[in-house]
Amino acid sequence: AQSVAQPEDQVNVAEGNPLTVKCTYSVSGNPYLFWYVQYPNRGLQFLLKYITGDNLVKGSYGFEAEFNKSQTSFHLKKPSALVSDSALYFCAVRDTNTGGFKTIFGAGTRLFVKA
Amino acid sequence: GAGVSQSPRYKVAKRGQDVALRCDPISGHVSLFWYQQALGQGPEFLTYFQNEAQLDKSGLPSDRFFAERPEGSVSTLKIQRTQQEDSAVYLCASSPGGPSTDTQYFGPGTRLTVL
Repeated sequence: AQSVAQPEDQVNVAEGNPLTVKCTYSVSGNPYLFWYVQYPNRGLQFLLKYITGDNLVKGSYGFEAEFNKSQTSFHLKKPSALVSDSALYFCAVRDTNTGGFKTIFGAGTRLFVKA
Repeated sequence: GAGVSQSPRYKVAKRGQDVALRCDPISGHVSLFWYQQALGQGPEFLTYFQNEAQLDKSGLPSDRFFAERPEGSVSTLKIQRTQQEDSAVYLCASSPGGPSTDTQYFGPGTRLTVL
């Protein structure tokens, strides 16, 4: 069965410092991997995705993520955090073996960026 | 352009009542998804439509839950005989083409509270 784990409920970082939000996954086939962000009182917004190709994926707002097949990870990173990055971040996976309809989301990681 | 819209934004129901939640996807989007998001959790997949065809309903928690998209655009999620455990935010998402690799665009959600 496919699953996603976000081991940290919360990540705290100072503005200007690099940030990492961790995600690991489990699928039977090849994964399609996604990161979404949820700001207060707003819907989930797409940040980036890995489908195939380069393991390093660049997305919106300066975020990037690295697909690591051996470690089954897809950690979200940003070189220099902004206070405005404070939000709830969700990692998600689709398993190519299951037809690709079902997206499994992690429980979310709340990011606090302190000025 | 207009994004995904959902109505009502908030719904309070007494236990045992039926409710209907509406989703207006982005015009022309082929794929439509429904998710249930409990407090403090990530979205959980309920069902998937490709145009008017419901191709996956494996996430619907019971036969009290029913979804339709009769003309391949607007979709309705109906919950019969609501129970307290149905209290959650119900999210709708649409994507332009097939489900596997496309980015999903989420609506703001309907917060359902069952008393």
